[in-house]
Amino acid sequence: NAGVTQTPKFQVLKTGQSMTLQCAQDMNHEYMSWYRQDPGMGLRLIHYSVGAGITDQGEVPNGYNVSRSTTEDFPLRLLSAAPSQTSVYFCASSYSITSGGIVSKKQFFGPGTRLTVL
Amino acid sequence: SQKIEQNSEALNIQEGKTATLTCNYTNYSPAYLQWYRQDPGRGPVFLLLIRENEKEKRKERLKVTFDTTLKQSLFHITASQPADSATYLCALRGSQGNLIFGKGTKLSVKP
Repeated sequence: NAGVTQTPKFQVLKTGQSMTLQCAQDMNHEYMSWYRQDPGMGLRLIHYSVGAGITDQGEVPNGYNVSRSTTEDFPLRLLSAAPSQTSVYFCASSYSITSGGIVSKKQFFGPGTRLTVL
Repeated sequence: SQKIEQNSEALNIQEGKTATLTCNYTNYSPAYLQWYRQDPGRGPVFLLLIRENEKEKRKERLKVTFDTTLKQSLFHITASQPADSATYLCALRGSQGNLIFGKGTKLSVKP
């Protein structure tokens, strides 16, 4: 299994440009999510999906769109890039485990995309 | 709102000693808590999960405790090695079922 893959690894955009960060997983996980990681801020959830056709907003969704047409793919679209979106973006997938009546998720992260918006 | 804090941004210890990292949370009672390791330029990697009905969990040189009264988890690495140097993140299950991450503690193990 390749696990969670992300492309591109690096990207430089100009303010106002749009682009799509790609994310794919081959583990048949129902749950996928996008995070951004900034110095001193930790990982913040942008959008997530609990299955194909279902998406929802996380903590910092403004300026980003997602869709989930298949179980495997979960692209993140930047509609009009801004310098505040300069960050490292991580995609993650997870599956649910039920033990002792508690449902938990173990996350598998991709290698990240480092985005700079000038 | 739910808040998760890792008290130290950085921790420096000598090889062979036990590293202890702290994770505190407020305004919530998570059903479980997780610890991840992140190396520079890479995504976080899952290490351990501990549920609210478990006091302690071990995996090789790693030990995690979960005190729901203190709202605190401790993460221990015994007999630490320079290869253990990394940033360690704690995460808890939020009210929407998502994971909420702490900002991380950067551990440096000196030979």
